[in-house]
Amino acid sequence: QVQLQESGPGLVKPSETLSLTCTVSGVSISSFYWSWIRQPPGKGLEWLGYIYNSGSTNYNPSLKSRGTISVDTSKNQFSLKLTSVTAADTALYFCARGFTRKGFYEYWGQGTLVSVSS
Amino acid sequence: SSELTQPPSVSVSPGQTARITCSADALPNQYAYWYQQKPGQAPVLVIYNDGERPSGIPERFSGSSSGTTVTLTISGVQAEDEADYYCQSADSSGNYVVFGGGTKLTVL
Repeated sequence: QVQLQESGPGLVKPSETLSLTCTVSGVSISSFYWSWIRQPPGKGLEWLGYIYNSGSTNYNPSLKSRGTISVDTSKNQFSLKLTSVTAADTALYFCARGFTRKGFYEYWGQGTLVSVSS
Repeated sequence: SSELTQPPSVSVSPGQTARITCSADALPNQYAYWYQQKPGQAPVLVIYNDGERPSGIPERFSGSSSGTTVTLTISGVQAEDEADYYCQSADSSGNYVVFGGGTKLTVL
């Protein structure tokens, strides 16, 4: 049974770096497209990017190079770092497994709320 | 703004048919997927590859595609179907994942 679980600080100060980790169980992280998706309070879903094959990445251009997704295969985890955060980055952050590069997300974490505030 | 356009809201009475549309110029060349999201929960995939239904999703959920519009149809709507629904596909370049703005389905 595939399960994903996000973890990380719930509060980040403006201009600092947001760091989240997704722990995957039930499947090897060496396959599929491991993605981050966020949802600002009361708003819709926004795809942030993915990592594939333990190294290839693709990011939403709207992040303007602030985002980095990495993987730790020894721990079956992948991570998101988002630099220079502002209040606009306040959101519920989900990790999810993509079936293909542009494919569907069948497995999601429960989401973790990150607030950006001083 | 999203490259995928959905109506903000749809309302139906129990037992009726709900249709939620999603439009974009790139849709004839890309698959579309649909998710159901209830408050406080992660999205759940209900349709993939335009019209395929994952195991465990009720048969009343179906999807179709015509030109630049894809449609999620819920036949015999039940109170438990009240949720936000999002379509997903790729952007016009084909390189990035995009979501529609979401449609709130209200069961009257």
